[in-house]
Amino acid sequence: AQTIHQWPVAEIKAVGSPLSLGCTIKGKSSPNLYWYWQATGGTLQQLFYSITVGQVESVVQLNLSASRPKDDQFILSTEKLLLSHSGFYLCAWSLREQYFGPGTRLTVL
Amino acid sequence: GDKVKQSPSALSLQEGTNSALRCNFSIAATTVQWFLQNPRGSLINLFYLVPGTKENGRLKSAFDSKESYSTLHIRDAQLEDSGTYFCAAGVSNTNKVVFGTGTRLQVLP
Repeated sequence: AQTIHQWPVAEIKAVGSPLSLGCTIKGKSSPNLYWYWQATGGTLQQLFYSITVGQVESVVQLNLSASRPKDDQFILSTEKLLLSHSGFYLCAWSLREQYFGPGTRLTVL
Repeated sequence: GDKVKQSPSALSLQEGTNSALRCNFSIAATTVQWFLQNPRGSLINLFYLVPGTKENGRLKSAFDSKESYSTLHIRDAQLEDSGTYFCAAGVSNTNKVVFGTGTRLQVLP
């Protein structure tokens, strides 16, 4: 069975500090991987997608970057957090339909 | 404007009644997924559709790509159906996914 794990579960960070969020998928070889962001009470906004190791495409510019260092790992990061980065970050995998991880709740103060 | 507009934005139902949710697309959608987001933020997969219809228990969904809409019908609503329903459109010839604006459903005893 496929499992998708995100870390950390929640994070409280200061404006201007760096951030790294992670996502690991087990049980699926070479899936497409995605990062999404959701503001409180809002919809999901696709941020990045990756179809293979080392290749990441940006969908929307939010002063964030993503990397796929291994087939089963997707990392979201930034060197300087903004207040607007607060929200819920979700990782997903697909071969056809998308399956989502449990998410990371980020609060920037 | 919103590329995937959901209606209604919010809905309250008595237990045991029926409802219909709708997504209208102003983009070239080739696939549609329907999700239920629970209060913890987890996204539960309901349907994955290429043009056509699917049924699962009390739920039924249809996707018409030519008329650019999708529907989700809930029959005999139960308390556990409460949450926010999202449709998500797969955009033609891309790996981009656009989520709808969401429908917040509350089922009342």
